[in-house]
Amino acid sequence: EVQLVQSGAEVKKPGESLRISCKGSGYSFTSYWISWVRQMPGKGLEWMGRIDPSDSYTNYSPSFQGHVTISADKSISTAYLQWSSLKASDTAMYYCATKGLGDFDYWGQGTLVTVSS
Amino acid sequence: SYELTQPPSVSVSPGQTARITCSGDALPKQYAYWYQQKPGQAPVLVIYKDSERPSGIPERFSGSSSGTTVTLTISGVQAEDEADYYCQSADSSGTEVFGGGTKLTVL
Repeated sequence: EVQLVQSGAEVKKPGESLRISCKGSGYSFTSYWISWVRQMPGKGLEWMGRIDPSDSYTNYSPSFQGHVTISADKSISTAYLQWSSLKASDTAMYYCATKGLGDFDYWGQGTLVTVSS
Repeated sequence: SYELTQPPSVSVSPGQTARITCSGDALPKQYAYWYQQKPGQAPVLVIYKDSERPSGIPERFSGSSSGTTVTLTISGVQAEDEADYYCQSADSSGTEVFGGGTKLTVL
């Protein structure tokens, strides 16, 4: 069974750093890109960027370039999304997802990040 | 940056047909995908590559494409179809994007 399991909810203060994770199982982790998607409270889905786990090549949305870093460790089938300095506006649910040819499309359960002083 | 445009809301009565459109300049050259999202849940793929339906998705869900517009059609809408629907595609560089989402209300 294909699964993407994300790390748990986080509560942080503005200016703090954070890294959340997404662990894949049940498929060849290096065969499919992993994307990260933001959903702010009551708002729509926003594609942030993606990584090719086989070589860690990344592709970011212009809206998120420079604000977050996407990485992966293929040895443990895990992708990461990290911030060096959080802002209150980073408060959102974050999903990882993997998509391939056809209907190969799986999402993590989401990680809620709350940034508040 | 590239944008996909969806109507904010669509309302239909049970048993009627709902059509949700998504417009974008690159859609003639890039496939579109449709996701259904219910409150508190992760999105679920309901249509891929413009018009293909994943296994497990009811036959009442279909997709079509014409020029710069793709359409998700739900025939014989049921109460359980009430959800937010998002189209997704990519620009010429491969950067992906979601439409703003459409809230489907079943009256």
